[in-house]
Amino acid sequence: EIVMTQSPLSLPVTPGEPASISCRSSQSLLHINGYTYFYWYLQRPGQSPQLLIYLGSNRASGVPDRFSGSGSGTDFTLKISRVEAEDVGVYYCMQALLTPLTFGGGTKVEIK
Amino acid sequence: QVQLQESGPGLVQPSQTLSLTCTVSGGSISGGTYYWSWIRQHPGKGLEWIGYIYHRGNTDYTPSLRSRATISVDTSKNQFSLNLSSMTAADTAVYYCARYHYDPGSDYSNIFDYWGQGALVTVSS
Repeated sequence: EIVMTQSPLSLPVTPGEPASISCRSSQSLLHINGYTYFYWYLQRPGQSPQLLIYLGSNRASGVPDRFSGSGSGTDFTLKISRVEAEDVGVYYCMQALLTPLTFGGGTKVEIK
Repeated sequence: QVQLQESGPGLVQPSQTLSLTCTVSGGSISGGTYYWSWIRQHPGKGLEWIGYIYHRGNTDYTPSLRSRATISVDTSKNQFSLNLSSMTAADTAVYYCARYHYDPGSDYSNIFDYWGQGALVTVSS
């Protein structure tokens, strides 16, 4: 099983300031087809998770360009260039290279 | 717009079997390259993938639940279901159904693109 480790656990942020979340996988998520099967999801309070970033760095439809994903192999980062109030929630990384599909433990982003 | 809706009991007795159904609307469960999934979230905790099923019946499960979980599909009703046997308090969680878009080799694949709202299941006598 691929283990996903996120940090930090909690991230207090100031609106308008940048924020960054890290995720590390226990093995490379690069497939032989050249795709890296790494994802970011956001679960807003009281809601189901929604896709933010797919294949490491591609924003999902409707996701603001203040969100960006980067990284390769086993180390990945989600950056928010300027945090807005609607960005609060729990951010999860996920790997889909192999089953069982596994998620990181989550990073709770809250406004200071 | 595809929508998924979980249904089932909110309370299950210990040792009993949980049965949840996910009804898919706005699209056919038999169409496209999708696997129909169950994911759960323990209170205040993270996400745990339980397993998924393809419309032709192929399944895969997380190892820790493989002996207790069964996912089935009813294409005539556009539904898929989860049975989880020998329930204990440790199975208390919100259970989500979700569509998993699987199109290997594509630049848009291996994605949970639609989720249900979630169903809270409590195990208690």
